[in-house]
Amino acid sequence: DVKVTQSSRYLVKRTGEKVFLECVQDMDHENMFWYRQDPGLGLRLIYFSYDVKMKEKGDIPEGYSVSREKKERFSLILESASTNQTSMYLCASSSLTAGQETQYFGPGTRLLVL
Amino acid sequence: LAKTTQPISMDSYEGQEVNITCSHNNIATNDYITWYQQFPSQGPRFIIQGYKTKVTNEVASLFIPADRKSSTLSLPRVSLSDTAVYYCLVGADKLIFGTGTRLQVFP
Repeated sequence: DVKVTQSSRYLVKRTGEKVFLECVQDMDHENMFWYRQDPGLGLRLIYFSYDVKMKEKGDIPEGYSVSREKKERFSLILESASTNQTSMYLCASSSLTAGQETQYFGPGTRLLVL
Repeated sequence: LAKTTQPISMDSYEGQEVNITCSHNNIATNDYITWYQQFPSQGPRFIIQGYKTKVTNEVASLFIPADRKSSTLSLPRVSLSDTAVYYCLVGADKLIFGTGTRLQVFP
């Protein structure tokens, strides 16, 4: 079974702090994704990566950055946390095979910014 | 990227069959149709994926008409544990999640 793990299930930070959310997958997937999920808005893509040291902006990248130094690890960074970044953050990985893509999600990190 | 439209919510009772229809009028030739299930405080979980006609697995069936402009997820004999949000996605990469369909199963 594919396993995607996230470093924390719950996190409380203060406004202005630098926040690191870590994601690790164990299936040698090329693709990794970071989403945030807010009530009534579904999942929104923040950043994604198709390869090591490669990153692309998703739909809402403002206020975030990412790092992918190793294939299995994809980090989301909030340079200076703000209260509007309070959300559930979900990491996913996938391997594109013949045009089909199935994303496997981690359990999520619920971040509260005070 | 093809946009999808699905009902915001549905109610059902235990033991009934539930069909959730998703429309995707501008689906591309190489797009697959994928459904995910999400429970509260968990990440979405893959349920089923198809390209055309019918696909069935141990969890659900997926019906796709010839024009592929819509698809129907069928959950046979739902139970309380099927209460969740169900997302329909179309694409080959960079999947776009909408707000999904919130299914509530009652005893």
